[in-house]
Amino acid sequence: EAGVTQFPSHSVIEKGQTVTLRCDPISGHDNLYWYRRVMGKEIKFLLHFVKESKQDESGMPNNRFLAERTGGTYSTLKVQPAELEDSGVYFCASRSTFETGELFFGEGSRLTVL
Amino acid sequence: AQSVTQPDIHITVSEGASLELRCNYSYGATPYLFWYVQSPGQGLQLLLKYFSGDTLVQGIKGFEAEFKRSQSSFNLRKPSVHWSDAAEYFCAVGISGGYQKVTFGIGTKLQVIP
Repeated sequence: EAGVTQFPSHSVIEKGQTVTLRCDPISGHDNLYWYRRVMGKEIKFLLHFVKESKQDESGMPNNRFLAERTGGTYSTLKVQPAELEDSGVYFCASRSTFETGELFFGEGSRLTVL
Repeated sequence: AQSVTQPDIHITVSEGASLELRCNYSYGATPYLFWYVQSPGQGLQLLLKYFSGDTLVQGIKGFEAEFKRSQSSFNLRKPSVHWSDAAEYFCAVGISGGYQKVTFGIGTKLQVIP
């Protein structure tokens, strides 16, 4: 069974540009989460999808960030326009509704904004 | 809201020595507790989890952790560290019930010396 996959693994863009990160959860996992780790800080929650619906987006930093999960399968996280402080590693995780607690994480997408 | 404190940002141990990584959490009810590990270039991997029952939980790679409610702690231990254990370790707390948003600590980076 394939794990959570994220693309790209690393993206380098200039301030003001747009980047779209993609996450493919484990097949059948209704719950999908986005987290972010800025260098030297904790891994912070961004938002949570249940199927295609946003269950909790309390961690989204501002309206430059847009997450979608059309059809309840893969998800995208778009940053537009990117700022320097958006640099960090963006993690995606998924979880089955029928299993308690454990989140399965992808390897992360490292974003560098110059 | 729940929170996690990992007081040690960096720890260095000799190969073969014992290890204890500290974690304290803040949450009003019974938490779900996790330890994740991130090796260089890898995603987050679950080492072990506590939901209920026996307060001493065994995980993968020879790790164990003990839940102490009176101290709000969930320290990770290993009796003999191997060079391959060098990685970053994250303690996390999840809400019991609900949609299980997981909150992470800042992480402890473990260095293993010969």
